[in-house]
Amino acid sequence: AQKVTQAQTEISVVEKEDVTLDCVYETRDTTYYLFWYKQPPSGELVFLIRRNSFDEQNEISGRYSWNFQKSTSSFNFTITASQVVDSAVYFCALNDYKLSFGAGTTVTVRA
Amino acid sequence: ETGVTQTPRHLVMGMTNKKSLKCEQHLGHNAMYWYKQSAKKPLELMFVYSLEERVENNSVPSRFSPECPNSSHLFLHLHTLQPEDSALYLCASSLTTSEYEQYFGPGTRLTVT
Repeated sequence: AQKVTQAQTEISVVEKEDVTLDCVYETRDTTYYLFWYKQPPSGELVFLIRRNSFDEQNEISGRYSWNFQKSTSSFNFTITASQVVDSAVYFCALNDYKLSFGAGTTVTVRA
Repeated sequence: ETGVTQTPRHLVMGMTNKKSLKCEQHLGHNAMYWYKQSAKKPLELMFVYSLEERVENNSVPSRFSPECPNSSHLFLHLHTLQPEDSALYLCASSLTTSEYEQYFGPGTRLTVT
């Protein structure tokens, strides 16, 4: 069974639009960690954020924001005022007793 | 050098060849990982090492053989590969295997002919 589900395979937006990437996870553990990574066309995955299961505060970093809701087992990621440089594959990941990555969402931002 | 480095960046090998991929991390981390990323497929975790001991082996064929001589270096030895093994092989490291984020290398693009 898939532990991390990223339902959106591809999203295409025009520059300056906002884009939200969904991530739903499944775990029985009370202690776990959630992550988002970005993989630009160059191929190297870049860490964006880590959140532990006891910290439900939303976070904003520049144009990026994350919404963690334990009640719905979701950890969604929003890019505000998207730019062409945001074009990449974005992965959500869960680490409870084992590390699991979602299948990724390809974001294309058109000028 | 900083971060996680991988060599070579590109590799073309025949099915009867033997080659090795190298990964080095300069972050003082204790855990290292090998991933396989094929086109249109999810990231596949292959091996996990913690303090030089293999702690996870996800049903990877024996033609892939990992080696972790110390906490800074990780190798993936390849022999008698198949064309379907062509993929991007990514190395990563993290402080520990549980709660910390991973830092990835640039990957080795492997083509098996």
